[in-house]
Amino acid sequence: RKEVEQDPGPFNVPEGATVAFNCTYSNSASQSFFWYRQDCRKEPKLLMSVYSSGNEDGRFTAQLNRASQYISLLIRDSKLSDSATYLCVVNSFNKFYFGSGTKLNVKP
Amino acid sequence: DTGVSQDPRHKITKRGQNVTFRCDPISEHNRLYWYRQTLGQGPEFLTYFQNEAQLEKSRLLSDRFSAERPKGSFSTLEIQRTEQGDSAMYLCASSSSGRGGDTQYFGPGTRLTVL
Repeated sequence: RKEVEQDPGPFNVPEGATVAFNCTYSNSASQSFFWYRQDCRKEPKLLMSVYSSGNEDGRFTAQLNRASQYISLLIRDSKLSDSATYLCVVNSFNKFYFGSGTKLNVKP
Repeated sequence: DTGVSQDPRHKITKRGQNVTFRCDPISEHNRLYWYRQTLGQGPEFLTYFQNEAQLEKSRLLSDRFSAERPKGSFSTLEIQRTEQGDSAMYLCASSSSGRGGDTQYFGPGTRLTVL
């Protein structure tokens, strides 16, 4: 079983839509959690950390459910520039496990 | 530019040749990670240094792969006797062990093509 599982998508949504991505992880002792964004043929860039209390950064909201070992990312009012692959990342004792990514295409 | 840098950005080599990649982390970061990424997959952990000490190595890191960070600053990743299956993007990331330190910052990667 993979450490981190994500739906690969693609999610094809119109501009302005709200879209949600989910991710599950296998190690209950994992300590920290992140969403990264990766554009085609570029390096991953940190989008946001994910906290148990949930956190929001502009149009982006991340949630963590430790009991269910589940992480989510919600994007509101999608922009064309949000088109990218979104990687769920879990840190277990300084080893970082990446999901395969969820591809988002925002269309005009 | 004070971000993570990697060199070269692209490398094309013939099967059986040795290649070496370099990573320069953010200067105040004491942790350095190497990953490999293939098309359609997320980055896969290869190895991790804290200062000059190599603390973790993945099972993916066969005996043809070796990484060093001799002075706790830049790191090199060498692949000996390259195989076509080694073709991938090799990513380096750095972080700090201090407060908020588990956030990783990635370099642009070295894209390896083995012919």
